[in-house]
Formats: sequence, structure tokens, C-alpha cells
Amino acid sequence: AQSVSQHNHHVILSEAASLELGCNYSYGGTVNLFWYVQYPGQHLQLLLKYFSGDPLVKGIKGFEAEFIKSKFSFNLRKPSVQWSDTAEYFCAVKSNYQLIWGAGTKLIIKP
Amino acid sequence: EAGVAQSPRYKIIEKRQSVAFWCNPISGHATLYWYQQILGQGPKLLIQFQNNGVVDDSQLPKDRFSAERLKGVDSTLKIQPAKLEDSAVYLCASSTETGGFYEQYFGPGTRLTVT
Repeated sequence: AQSVSQHNHHVILSEAASLELGCNYSYGGTVNLFWYVQYPGQHLQLLLKYFSGDPLVKGIKGFEAEFIKSKFSFNLRKPSVQWSDTAEYFCAVKSNYQLIWGAGTKLIIKP
Repeated sequence: EAGVAQSPRYKIIEKRQSVAFWCNPISGHATLYWYQQILGQGPKLLIQFQNNGVVDDSQLPKDRFSAERLKGVDSTLKIQPAKLEDSAVYLCASSTETGGFYEQYFGPGTRLTVT
């Protein structure tokens, strides 16, 4: 069965630092990949998604993710983080008709 | 547009009691999902409805959990009897379709504590 792993459970960065959060899924074939974000006190919301085409996907708030098929990875990046990026980030892959979710990474940005 | 509504937001019960959660999806969304999110883990799908039919309930503990979506709109999830390990956030989400290109919209969740 498909599974998703997120390597870091907690990440602490200073403002303006660069961010990369890892996400790996367990098997290939055609995959649909997602990053969701949950800001403190708010609902889960979609950050970006990959279905096909350009493997470099741009999302909201300056985030991007790169799909690397050979590495089964879909890492999330942002060149310069802000305090407002403090949130929990979830990677998910569509398998059949459902999403399989990673455990999440809690990101804390120090002002 | 109004988002996904859930109630209650918080619930504390004793083990062996029963509890019910309610969800009203975004208007027009055919697909509704119930997830269980245990602290430190990602959401786990419990059941997925397409209109008022069940698409997937393979991870629903059917001996104690039940869900329905009458008339293909709002939905209730019930636990009877509750166990300590049921303590979690129960998330409801909806989307316009089940397969292919879709985005799930989430409600605020119900935090259940079983003592």
C-alpha cells in the first residue's frame, strides 16, 4: 500500500532562512501529490499540488515543490521564510480515490 | 462561499459512552470525507461518501463507528461505545468530485477527549 513519509517532525528556522521540507512516497506509477498547510487555529488548506507536466510546482505564499520521480520525492521549498509561515505542513499522495497523508512537519519561525 | 461546518468543536466523554459529530459540507460538493487525526499523525480516512453512497469505508472500525449522509448533504459520524484510543481530532472535508482532479476543503474539526 502507498505510504508517505515526512522526514522532519519539527523544524525551527529564523526569518529569512531558506526552507526545504522533505516528502517521500513509497511507490511510483502515476501519482498526484499535494502539500497542505494548517496555520495555528485555522483549517487545513491546500498549498500546492502536482498532477502532471512541469515537475516544479508553484503554490500560494511563495512556496514551491519539486516532483522527482526517480527519488519518489516531492519536497517543499521556500527561499526566504517569514514569521507568518509558522504552521504544520502535510504532504499527501492520492491513491485510488483517497489521500494518503504524511505525519506532518511543525515549522516554527523565530522572529 | 461558506466553508465546511462542523459541530461540536470540542467534546469530552467517558469511555463506553457514545458521541456524535455533525458536518455540513460546502454547498454543491458531492464528496464528503471523515478523517481521524491522532496527535502527531496525519489524517486517516475513515469514510468517504459520494452523494449519499459510500465510496470507501475500509478503515472505519465498524464495530463501534458508524456514519451516514442522508439526502447527500450533511453527515453524522457516531462512536458507540467510545474507547480511550478514540481520542483524536475528527475532520470533515468535502470536494466537488471523487476521482481525478480535486481539492479537499476542510472544516475546523472536532477535538474528542475520551477519559
